[in-house]
Amino acid sequence: ETGVTQSPTHLIKTRGQQVTLRCSSQSGHNTVSWYQQALGQGPQFIFQYYREEENGRGNFPPRFSGLQFPNYSSELNVNALELDDSALYLCASSPVTGKNNEQFFGPGTRLTVL
Amino acid sequence: GEDVEQSLFLSVREGDSSVINCTYTDSSSTYLYWYKQEPGAGLQLLTYIFSNMDMKQDQRLTVLLNKKDKHLSLRIADTQTGDSAIYFCAESISNAGNMLTFGGGTRLMVKP
Repeated sequence: ETGVTQSPTHLIKTRGQQVTLRCSSQSGHNTVSWYQQALGQGPQFIFQYYREEENGRGNFPPRFSGLQFPNYSSELNVNALELDDSALYLCASSPVTGKNNEQFFGPGTRLTVL
Repeated sequence: GEDVEQSLFLSVREGDSSVINCTYTDSSSTYLYWYKQEPGAGLQLLTYIFSNMDMKQDQRLTVLLNKKDKHLSLRIADTQTGDSAIYFCAESISNAGNMLTFGGGTRLMVKP
C-alpha cells in the first residue's frame, strides 16, 4: 500500500509568483486536507476536499485555492506569493470508512519565498 | 474557540519515561491525537483517543485524558534515542468537519 506522496519536495519562488503543489492520497482514501506549517510551529489547517469539493476551510485568504481530482489526488495553488508563505506544506488523506478522522500525512513540500 | 497548547521542550535520559502534556479549550472535541515529527519529515500518527475515554495504552505509549480539565498527556515508557522528535497533540471537533487543530509541538530530547 502506497502512502501519501507530495511533489515537489522543495521549491523556491519569488514574491508575487504563483505555485502549485501536488499530493497523491493513500490508496482507499477519498478525503484530502492541506496544512501549512511555519518554522517552529504546529500545522495550520488550510482546507479539505471531499469528492472533488471543498469541505471546510481554515483562516487563509482566497489566494490559497485547491482542487481534487477523480482519482482523489489534489493540488494546492497559491497566487501572489508573499514572504510569509514560506513554510512546509503538508497534505493528509483520510480513508473512505474512517470513523476516527485519522489523517495520514505526506512528507511535505518545503516552499521558500524570496 | 480552539486553542491547543503544549510545553516547548522536554529532556529525558534513555530508559526513563517521558510525559508530554497538552491542554485544549474546546469541550466539543471528539478525538484527540498524538503525532510525531522527525527533522525534515512529515507527521506520523502515533495514537488517538476518543473523548469519552480516560486512557488508552498502545505498547510503550499511554494516553491519558482528563476531560474536566481539558488535559491530555502522552507517556512514553523506556524512552529511546530514536524517540527524539517533536510531538504534536491535535484535536478534531465534531462541528468543524475533519479539521485538526494542532498545538505548537513539544521537542523531546533523549540523552544516552
